[in-house]
Amino acid sequence: DAGVTQSPTHLIKTRGQHVTLRCSPISGHKSVSWYQQVLGQGPQFIFQYYEKEERGRGNFPDRFSARQFPNYSSELNVNALLLGDSALYLCASSLEATSNSPLHFGNGTRLTVT
Amino acid sequence: AQSVTQPDIHITVSEGASLELRCNYSYGATPYLFWYVQSPGQGLQLLLKYFSGDTLVQGIKGFEAEFKRSQSSFNLRKPSVHWSDAAEYFCAVANQAGTALIFGKGTTLSVSS
Repeated sequence: DAGVTQSPTHLIKTRGQHVTLRCSPISGHKSVSWYQQVLGQGPQFIFQYYEKEERGRGNFPDRFSARQFPNYSSELNVNALLLGDSALYLCASSLEATSNSPLHFGNGTRLTVT
Repeated sequence: AQSVTQPDIHITVSEGASLELRCNYSYGATPYLFWYVQSPGQGLQLLLKYFSGDTLVQGIKGFEAEFKRSQSSFNLRKPSVHWSDAAEYFCAVANQAGTALIFGKGTTLSVSS
């Protein structure tokens, strides 16, 4: 079975630009979460979506937004990019949006902002 | 607020030696705890989880972890380390709302021959 797939794998953007990252969950998984991992740190929670609705949001500015589609895939959008947005962006899917439904992570999108 | 502390930034272990990675959490109720492993350039793979019941949990790749409520700890162990275990290890606790995992900063494991 295919795992969580993310695209693109690498991306280079300039400050002030906009970026869209994409994620396809494991088949049958209804929940998708997004995490930001800065070099040398643990992942930080950005969003959780379940059945197309936002269920949770981390401490990130409004420049970050996301959505989930009827097929449960998801997009993460970041506007007005800053140098500090350079990071590995991880998508994770789970069967349900509950604590006891373990997260399965994709390999991430490496975003570099210059 | 919930938090996770991994006191060791980097650990080096000889191949075949035993391993223990430390994790301390801050959480008011019974926590849901996880250990993940991340190889370079890869996403995170779930090693094991603790929800309730037996405090010693077994995971994949020969790893185990013990939940100790009195010490607010969830340390990861492996009796004999293999070179392929070299990676970054993250401990995490589920937040109270059940919407997210809170991760520690990670411990980098190096394996020497």
